[in-house]
This record gives sequence, C-alpha cells and structure tokens, in this order.
Amino acid sequence: ETGVTQSPTHLIKTRGQQVTLRCSSQSGHNTVSWYQQALGQGPQFIFQYYREEENGRGNFPPRFSGLQFPNYSSELNVNALELDDSALYLCASSLDGETSGSNEQFFGPGTRLTVL
Amino acid sequence: AQKITQTQPGMFVQEKEAVTLDCTYDTSDQSYGLFWYKQPSSGEMIFLIYQGSYDEQNATEGRYSLNFQKARKSANLVISASQLGDSAMYFCAMREAPWGGATNKLIFGTGTLLAVQP
Repeated sequence: ETGVTQSPTHLIKTRGQQVTLRCSSQSGHNTVSWYQQALGQGPQFIFQYYREEENGRGNFPPRFSGLQFPNYSSELNVNALELDDSALYLCASSLDGETSGSNEQFFGPGTRLTVL
Repeated sequence: AQKITQTQPGMFVQEKEAVTLDCTYDTSDQSYGLFWYKQPSSGEMIFLIYQGSYDEQNATEGRYSLNFQKARKSANLVISASQLGDSAMYFCAMREAPWGGATNKLIFGTGTLLAVQP
C-alpha cells in the first residue's frame, strides 16, 4: 500500500509569483484535503476535493485553488504569492462515503513553501 | 463555531513515566470525532488515536489512551511509559460528524511540544 506523497518537499518563491503543489493520495482513497500550517501553529483547513469536485472550503481567498484528477491525485495552486503564504502545506487523503468509523485522514510529509 | 484549545505549549516528562496532554473542545454539534496526531520535526502528521462522540468507552491504542469527558468537553491524551521517540509536537483535532456525508475537515489546536528526558 502506497502512502500519501507530496512534491516538491521544499520550494522558494518570490512575492507575486504562482506556485503549484502536488499530492498523490493513498491507494483506494477518493478524498484529498489540503491544510496550511504556519510556523508554530496548528494546520488550517484550506479545502477538500471529493471525486474531482471541491467539497468544502476554509477561510482562504480565491487565489488558493485546487484540482483533483480521475486518479484522485490533487494539486494546490496559489496565485499572487504573499509573504504570509510561507508555511508547510499538508495534503491528507481519506476514503469518504463510509457510514461509521474514524474516517481517518492520512497525511503526506508536506511541502515547505518559503516566499521571499 | 468549533474550536480546539490546547493550553500546554510545552511539556517535559521523564523516560518511562506517563504524561497527559490536555485538550478541550467547543462545538454545538451532537456528532463529532476527536483525534490526536503526532508531528515529529520531519513535519508529517501521524495519526495516534480516535474517539467518536457516541463512543461509550475511552479509546486506547497501545501506549496511547484518550481520556474522554464529554460533559466537560475534554479529550486528553495519555501516553504511558514515555520513550525518547515520543518527543514531538502533539495536536488535538476535531471533525464534525464522525462519518461520511459531511466535509471531512479537521480543526486543529495549537499543539503541545513534548520533550522526553532520559
């Protein structure tokens, strides 16, 4: 069973640039969630994709957008980068549609984005 | 609005001793799930334990147990027989509705940094 993978592991960008982060979900999972974790904070929910459609969004501006592909992998795109976008971006996959249980999210190792 | 509070920014524990990490939550939902995750310095979030709001017994997973007090809205993590490898950041998290059909969104606390001393 392949776990959640993310690429790249580290990234440095400058203000105003655009960035794309990638996530491959765990085998058999149909849902991907993205979180932003600023230094010293807990992760904050950005949005979730279920079967290629956005299925919930946190308090993030529209310049944060995403995609989910038929193989359930996902991308997070951030336009017009700001200094405050510097953070660890975590992707988590799960199998939604279950009727009981923890419906646990499995996290990837994250992408550390630095905006200069 | 849902909220998770972790009041201990940092904790020290001696190796082989037990430690309790505090977590309180606020929600108006009747159905929710509570999680604990471990985050080592590498950054990956590692699932430790889960408690559903309707579960009558406290969850246990090996050396981890969750002290769930629903009336007090607390979900403390107890780690027994601490090991050096337990040194990490620990996050409490909550999700509304413990089953599918709702957005599988987790709300995290600010975390507790645990240091296990030899």
